[in-house]
Amino acid sequence: AQKITQTQPGMFVQEKEAVTLDCTYDTSDPSYGLFWYKQPSSGEMIFLIYQGSYDQQNATEGRYSLNFQKARKSANLVISASQLGDSAMYFCAMRDFSGGGADGLTFGKGTHLIIQP
Amino acid sequence: GAVVSQHPSWVICKSGTSVKIECRSLDFQATTMFWYRQFPKQSLMLMATSNEGSKATYEQGVEKDKFLINHASLTLSTLTVTSAHPEDSSFYICSARDWEVSGELFFGEGSRLTVL
Repeated sequence: AQKITQTQPGMFVQEKEAVTLDCTYDTSDPSYGLFWYKQPSSGEMIFLIYQGSYDQQNATEGRYSLNFQKARKSANLVISASQLGDSAMYFCAMRDFSGGGADGLTFGKGTHLIIQP
Repeated sequence: GAVVSQHPSWVICKSGTSVKIECRSLDFQATTMFWYRQFPKQSLMLMATSNEGSKATYEQGVEKDKFLINHASLTLSTLTVTSAHPEDSSFYICSARDWEVSGELFFGEGSRLTVL
């Protein structure tokens, strides 16, 4: 069974500072994908970044980067130079590609990030 | 990019009535769509996988007769909450995968259901 753990229910960060959102996962499947989504107060889910289990390099997308430590089963999201608009809920999610079972994502409980001016 | 649209965004209904939520993939065909439920300040929980032309696959603990899912075409899946009760009040989100382009999963805007 898959499991995603986000240990930070909430975080306050000063604007322009970098922030790291923690995510650890547990799976016995060798092939999987890790995702980060942003959910503003409006409720929509915004895709941020993806990391495949076999990717050699850490994923980066603009101000977002994923600190992927496979041996530790860790996939932390790093947001550089935070902005007020970054305030939102952030969800880490995983999908395994080994087949069988549901194909949907398994989500962590989320981290509520608040950027302060 | 690919867009998934949900309708309605907000719905308020009386206890005992049924509510239908639509999920449409606007510019791609989706043989598979997913329905999630999110309680306030909690994670999204996968409810079921909607398969075009066949029965939906429900997650453990999700009542099939309560949450009816129909995937009648390659661009439309519907979730019907039957005989809704206040405990069914929640935020429901669908997603669909665009296999033809990138396999990326796109989410709808979500539908907030309030049962009085």
